[in-house]
Amino acid sequence: KAGVTQTPRYLIKTRGQQVTLSCSPISGHRSVSWYQQTPGQGLQFLFEYFSETQRNKGNFPGRFSGRQFSNSRSEMNVSTLELGDSALYLCASSLGPGVRAYGYTFGSGTRLTVV
Amino acid sequence: AQSVTQLGSHVSVSEGALVLLRCNYSSSVPPYLFWYVQYPNQGLQLLLKYTTGATLVKGINGFEAEFKKSETSFHLTKPSAHMSDAAEYFCAVSEAGNEKLTFGTGTRLTIIP
Repeated sequence: KAGVTQTPRYLIKTRGQQVTLSCSPISGHRSVSWYQQTPGQGLQFLFEYFSETQRNKGNFPGRFSGRQFSNSRSEMNVSTLELGDSALYLCASSLGPGVRAYGYTFGSGTRLTVV
Repeated sequence: AQSVTQLGSHVSVSEGALVLLRCNYSSSVPPYLFWYVQYPNQGLQLLLKYTTGATLVKGINGFEAEFKKSETSFHLTKPSAHMSDAAEYFCAVSEAGNEKLTFGTGTRLTIIP
């Protein structure tokens, strides 16, 4: 059974550009959550999608957005990149909404470096 | 609001010694509590979780944790450390009605041969 696939694994972007990260959940999983991991702020929740709908959103500026497709794959987009957006972005896949009921399986992440 | 405090950003133990990683939480409602492990350049792997019921929870790789409501703690232990346990460990909490995970700042565990 394939795990959670995040692409690309590494990305280097210039300040001011935009970036799109992709997450393919485990087959049959319908919920995807995104987390940002930085040395300064640690692990922070970005958003959660279930059945193409955003169910929950963290405290991030509007430059951070996401979506989920009908096949449950999810993308997150960051516009007007800032140096502080450099981070490991982790995607978590679950059968249904909410970590309490269904649990998460995390991908290996996309490491974004903004220069 | 829920929050998690992990005491000790770095812990070193000798191979074969007891591992104790501390986690205290703050939650206004009965929480679900989790421990995750992260190896370099990898995502998070669930070690164990507490939901309801038995307060001593056993997880993978010989780890266990005990939920102590009176102390608002959920410390992670392993009787005998192995070199392969070297990693970063994160405690996390989730509340009903706000089911995101709120993580602690992590504890990097080093095993001394």
